[in-house]
Formats: sequence, C-alpha cells, structure tokens
Amino acid sequence: AQSVTQLGSHVSVSEGALVLLRCNYSSSVPPYLFWYVQYPNQGLQLLLKYTTGATLVKGINGFEAEFKKSETSFHLTKPSAHMSDAAEYFCAVSEGFNKFYFGSGTKLNVKP
Amino acid sequence: GAGVSQSPSNKVTEKGKDVELRCDPISGHTALYWYRQSLGQGLEFLIYFQGNSAPDKSGLPSDRFSAERTGGSVSTLTIQRTQQEDSAVYLCASSSSTGGSNNEQFFGPGTRLTVL
Repeated sequence: AQSVTQLGSHVSVSEGALVLLRCNYSSSVPPYLFWYVQYPNQGLQLLLKYTTGATLVKGINGFEAEFKKSETSFHLTKPSAHMSDAAEYFCAVSEGFNKFYFGSGTKLNVKP
Repeated sequence: GAGVSQSPSNKVTEKGKDVELRCDPISGHTALYWYRQSLGQGLEFLIYFQGNSAPDKSGLPSDRFSAERTGGSVSTLTIQRTQQEDSAVYLCASSSSTGGSNNEQFFGPGTRLTVL
C-alpha cells in the first residue's frame, strides 16, 4: 500500500529563514506528487504538483519542490519565510486511479 | 457556485444516531472525493466519484459508511449508527471533467462531526 511520511509534525523557523518541509513516499510506479496548504480556518489549496517532466516544480508564494526518485522524496522549500506562510502543509501522492494518499501534515510556525 | 461547499459546517450527534453530510462541488466538475481528517492525522481517502459512479469504495472504513451522488453534482456521505471514533472533519473535493490523478482537487471547508 502507498504511504506518505512527513517528518516533523511541527516546524518553526524565523522570518527570512529557509523553509524545508520533508515528504517521503512509497511507490512502485512513478507517482503524481502534490503539496497542499491549509491556512487557519480555511480549506486546503494546491501549492504545487509534479506529474511529469522537470523534477523541480515551482508553486505559488515562492515555494518549490523537487522530485527525487532515488530518494523517493518530494521536499518543499522556500528560501525566505514570511509570517504569512504560517499554515499546515500536506504532501500527497497518487499512483493513478484517482486514489490519493496524504501525509499527516506539518504545521509551520514563523517567528518574527 | 464559486467553490466547493459543504453542509453542515458543524454537526454534533449522539452515539448511535445516523448523520448525513452534504457536498456541492464546483459546477462542471465531474470528479468528487470524500476524505476524513482525524485529529493529529492526515487526510484519509474515503471514496471517489466520477459522475454518479464510485469505482472504488475500498476506502470506506466500515459498512456503516455509504455515499451517493445524484445528477453528477451533489453528493451525500451517510454514517449510520455513529460511533465516537467517527468524530473527525469530513472534507469533500472536486476536480475537473477528466478527473485524472494529475488534476488539482479543490477542497471544501469541511464538516466537523462530533459524536458524543
């Protein structure tokens, strides 16, 4: 069965610092990979996705993620954190057939 | 509507009662998904509809859970004889007409279910 692991349920960074949120998955076939963000009291919204092609994917709000097949990873990064980035981030994987597997989420706290 | 809507936003019920949760997808989206988000856990895939059909029901936790979709639009998730472990936020999402696994899902605000 497919699984998605997000290391660290809570991550805290200072404003202006690098953001790194980790996501590893298990898949026997090339997967589709997603990062979603959930701001307080709001629904989930797509940050970025990888389907095929370039393994470095850029998303909204300055976030990007790199698909590394050899490491089965899809870590999310942002060079400089902003206070408005405080939210919960979810990594998701699909092998097709419209079945999606989500990680348990990482809450990002940004300190002034 | 402009986005996915769900009702009610909050539901408190007593153990053993039945509940119905409703999802209105984005107009024109034929793919619809139900998820469950329990406290401290990720989203658990429950069921997926393409049109009115649900090709895969294996994510439903037990036979107390059922879902239907009529007219290719509104979907209802029904939980019979609710148990305390059913307490969670139930999320609905829809995606574009092709509904492929590489398509973005648009999520509703969720229904928070509390079973006393």
